[in-house]
Amino acid sequence: KAGVTQTPRYLIKTRGQQVTLSCSPISGHRSVSWYQQTPGQGLQFLFEYFSETQRNKGNFPGRFSGRQFSNSRSEMNVSTLELGDSALYLCASSLDGQGVYNEQFFGPGTRLTVL
Amino acid sequence: SQKIEQNSEALNIQEGKTATLTCNYTNYSPAYLQWYRQDPGRGPVFLLLIRENEKEKRKERLKVTFDTTLKQSLFHITASQPADSATYLCALESRAGNMLTFGGGTRLMVKP
Repeated sequence: KAGVTQTPRYLIKTRGQQVTLSCSPISGHRSVSWYQQTPGQGLQFLFEYFSETQRNKGNFPGRFSGRQFSNSRSEMNVSTLELGDSALYLCASSLDGQGVYNEQFFGPGTRLTVL
Repeated sequence: SQKIEQNSEALNIQEGKTATLTCNYTNYSPAYLQWYRQDPGRGPVFLLLIRENEKEKRKERLKVTFDTTLKQSLFHITASQPADSATYLCALESRAGNMLTFGGGTRLMVKP
């Protein structure tokens, strides 16, 4: 079974631009979560999608948004990029994102650098 | 406010010894607690999940305990090996919602 894939792996943008990151979950997984990881703040939850609906949202500004398609693939978008958005963005999928079925399978991440 | 604390200092131990990592939390009522391993430049990898009504869980050389009274989980690696060197993260899922909140992680270094 193929693991979680994320594209692109590396991205360099400048302040004010926007960016879209893509995630393909493990086949059969219906829950997709996005996390931001930085050295200072650690791994922080952005949002979770289940059956094309945003089910949970972390404490991030509205510049961060996402969506999930009918095949469970997900995208996240960051508009008006700021220097502080430089981070490793991780996508994770799970069977249904709850309880004992909430084991997260992480992708390799997208390293975003904002100049 | 909710807080999950892991020892931010690296834990250095000798090969063959037991490594014990701590995860403490406050203002939280977790229904489940998970442990992950993360190697540099890679996404975390799931290791173990323990429910709030379970005291202990084992998997091969790994053991997790969960004390909801002390609000603490301990993660043990017995007969540690240099290949166990990595950052270990604990994550809590509350009853209120199914999102995971991660601790800051503890870096483990096992010396041969």
